[in-house]
Amino acid sequence: DAGVIQSPRHEVTEMGQEVTLRCKPISGHDYLFWYRQTMMRGLELLIYFNNNVPIDDSGMPEDRFSAKMPNASFSTLKIQPSEPRDSAVYFCASSLRSGVAKNIQYFGAGTRLSVL
Amino acid sequence: GQSLEQPSEVTAVEGAIVQINCTYQTSGFYGLSWYQQHDGGAPTFLSYNALDGLEETGRFSSFLSRSDSYGYLLLQELQMKDSASYFCAVRVGQAGTALIFGKGTTLSVSS
Repeated sequence: DAGVIQSPRHEVTEMGQEVTLRCKPISGHDYLFWYRQTMMRGLELLIYFNNNVPIDDSGMPEDRFSAKMPNASFSTLKIQPSEPRDSAVYFCASSLRSGVAKNIQYFGAGTRLSVL
Repeated sequence: GQSLEQPSEVTAVEGAIVQINCTYQTSGFYGLSWYQQHDGGAPTFLSYNALDGLEETGRFSSFLSRSDSYGYLLLQELQMKDSASYFCAVRVGQAGTALIFGKGTTLSVSS
């Protein structure tokens, strides 16, 4: 399996622009998670989906952030408008419910976002 | 809410043993996970404890005491490639499928 695939790997944009991050989970996984990682705040859970349905978005920092999962193989995280404080590494992860005993999450390589 | 505490940095030499502690507070507890992240890389799963006791996986072991809300990751026969950040995480949410991570412990292994 190719693992969790995120694109782009790097994104540089200017304040006020819309940013869209993309994620393809591991085939067959039914949970998908979006995280943000910064030095100050560590690895924060933003939102997660089960079978394409958002379960908990309490970690989404502001209304500028939105996430969708239109089908089992694709999810997006959108920031509109972007601000310099959104600069971070954004990770997508997926897991399989039947693996709940260990609840292993498999992470993508991340998208490094820089908002100037 | 949930909170996890772990040391920010640990240093050790090759061949040594190091223990990374984690204390947690959570409203519901399913288990404690450990992830490793190399600089510039993605977090990868290392170990998991749902019950009290020690879980061993090669050079790495993880321990949990539910009554003390405490766990640790033990790394033996340290190698340079073990230099990385190590995160403890508690399971939360729908059937404990989500994870809340600690801030991470940066391990530096020197020769």
